[in-house]
Amino acid sequence: GAVVSQHPSWVICKSGTSVKIECRSLDFQATTMFWYRQFPKQSLMLMATSNEGSKATYEQGVEKDKFLINHASLTLSTLTVTSAHPEDSSFYICSAVQGNGQPQHFGDGTRLSIL
Amino acid sequence: KQEVTQIPAALSVPEGENLVLNCSFTDSAIYNLQWFRQDPGKGLTSLLLIQSSQREQTSGRLNASLDKSSGRSTLYIAASQPGDSATYLCAVMRGGSYIPTFGRGTSLIVHP
Repeated sequence: GAVVSQHPSWVICKSGTSVKIECRSLDFQATTMFWYRQFPKQSLMLMATSNEGSKATYEQGVEKDKFLINHASLTLSTLTVTSAHPEDSSFYICSAVQGNGQPQHFGDGTRLSIL
Repeated sequence: KQEVTQIPAALSVPEGENLVLNCSFTDSAIYNLQWFRQDPGKGLTSLLLIQSSQREQTSGRLNASLDKSSGRSTLYIAASQPGDSATYLCAVMRGGSYIPTFGRGTSLIVHP
């Protein structure tokens, strides 16, 4: 149980393109989803906390207009990287929790490469 | 601001050894602590979750302990195997706001 699906797993696109990443909880309802960014050999950097039906809470230094997060249902959150540039290339991972303080369950991540 | 430190950063051991990975955090007002495993290029797999009121959790060859007052947790891996090779991350969930903070991880290699 507690499976989180993240799609796509790999994206390569040109600079200026907007890219949407989906995070779905397949067998449970997620009140909260977290979006992380991970650089090579680095830990996970929390970008934002997404609660169903409300606006995402962004961490300091993360541009809201650059990284659009939508959490329209209890099983789906999306992260859209708008007008992506090479410096946005990274590994993006989402996690989902069933309730406050519950275990995080992670997707397999999305590797984004901007040319 | 919560800071999470993991020691050692890297570890290479022969198969069969018992291992201890360390995680320390600066703010003891946590809700829980979770240990994860990450394989290269993959997401995270949850290993153990310890609530703030608990002292330890066990799953198979893994045992995690928590000393909240001193801001420490250890992950004990018994009889290590090559398949245990991965990066191990700990994350503390802040009490109240339920925001997670991760350590940088311990990169483990178990060689045959």
